[in-house]
Amino acid sequence: RKEVEQDPGPFNVPEGATVAFNCTYSNSASQSFFWYRQDCRKEPKLLMSVYSSGNEDGRFTAQLNRASQYISLLIRDSKLSDSATYLCVASIQYGNKLVFGAGTILRVKS
Amino acid sequence: ETGVTQSPTHLIKTRGQQVTLRCSSQSGHNTVSWYQQALGQGPQFIFQYYREEENGRGNFPPRFSGLQFPNYSSELNVNALELDDSALYLCASCLAGYRNTIYFGEGSWLTVV
Repeated sequence: RKEVEQDPGPFNVPEGATVAFNCTYSNSASQSFFWYRQDCRKEPKLLMSVYSSGNEDGRFTAQLNRASQYISLLIRDSKLSDSATYLCVASIQYGNKLVFGAGTILRVKS
Repeated sequence: ETGVTQSPTHLIKTRGQQVTLRCSSQSGHNTVSWYQQALGQGPQFIFQYYREEENGRGNFPPRFSGLQFPNYSSELNVNALELDDSALYLCASCLAGYRNTIYFGEGSWLTVV
């Protein structure tokens, strides 16, 4: 079983749609969680950290459920430019040994 | 943009050869990690260096080795290349500390033939 698991997708959605990604992690010692975005043939870029209380950044909302070892990312009002692969990440110690999921592909279409 | 630069950007090597990949981090970033990303997969942690000492290692064989230098640059060396080593190799650096941003370089694409 992989340490971080994501639905690979692809999620094909129209512009303006709301889309949700889910992720589960198996290591209960994980302390820090992130969502990264990766465009084709580019490096991963931090989208947002995920905090226990949940956090929002514009159209993006991240949630963490430690009891269920579950992380989610909600994107509202999808834009064409949101098309990318979204990587769920967990780590035991902040900044050390990031454990990535395989990524979820999002395609937003006009 | 991130202040982390990697070289070379692309290279092709033959099975059995050795390769050195380089990373230049932002000044002051005392922590550097290397990741391997195969096609269609998420990045996999290779190892991390903190103040020039190895500070954690993933499930990679000893033929993957690294160095970190006082000038915030680092190297990833891979000996006896295998076809499965073909991947994007990513360098990530940060200043150790809670909630400090981790910056990724653009990566080095390695193809082993």
